Amino acid sequence: SQTIHQWPATLVQPVGSPLSLECTVEGTSNPNLYWYRQAAGRGLQLLFYSVGIGQISSEVPQNLSASRPQDRQFILSSKKLLLSDSGFYLCARQTSYEQYFGPGTRLTVT
Amino acid sequence: GENVEQHPSTLSVQEGDSAVIKCTYSDSASNYFPWYKQELGKRPQLIIDIRSNVGEKKDQRIAVTLNKTAKHFSLHITETQPEDSAVYFCAAGSNSNSGYALNFGKGTSLLVTP
Repeated sequence: SQTIHQWPATLVQPVGSPLSLECTVEGTSNPNLYWYRQAAGRGLQLLFYSVGIGQISSEVPQNLSASRPQDRQFILSSKKLLLSDSGFYLCARQTSYEQYFGPGTRLTVT
Repeated sequence: GENVEQHPSTLSVQEGDSAVIKCTYSDSASNYFPWYKQELGKRPQLIIDIRSNVGEKKDQRIAVTLNKTAKHFSLHITETQPEDSAVYFCAAGSNSNSGYALNFGKGTSLLVTP
């Protein structure tokens, strides 16, 4: 199976603190990987995507960044969180046409 | 860029009735149209998808139709059950350097009452 892991599941961080969210996938090599954010009661916003190690593309300018240090690892980071960064962060992998989501990280910035 | 609009934003039906959710897209290059179901607090789950070379696809109680000329596609759920209650998202995607970058609609909150 092609499992997606996200860590941590929930996180409460103060404004101005750093952030690191991790996504790892199993069972597939060189997957296309995506980071989405879902604000409360809202739709899904694509933040970053990666087609390979070290290859990151950003869809929306913001104070977040992403990295792909290994084939099956995708990391979302921030140096200083804003209140508006609160939301449900979802990592997704692509298989052929389909995109499948990980379990998500629920981030609350206080 | 692609713009996906989804209607209605909320939908309430009685158990056993049908539910229809409609989406329109703007980019004629879009050729992949998935639908996701998201239950409260959980990840979106892919429930059905359709590619632009197909006009209709059915899987048990759910079906999706696509009208490429009009640039709209719809999700049909028949014989609705309370467990169908969730938020449904449509999306449109096209092959690009990012694989299949998906643009999502804003979601439809479906409530099925017993």
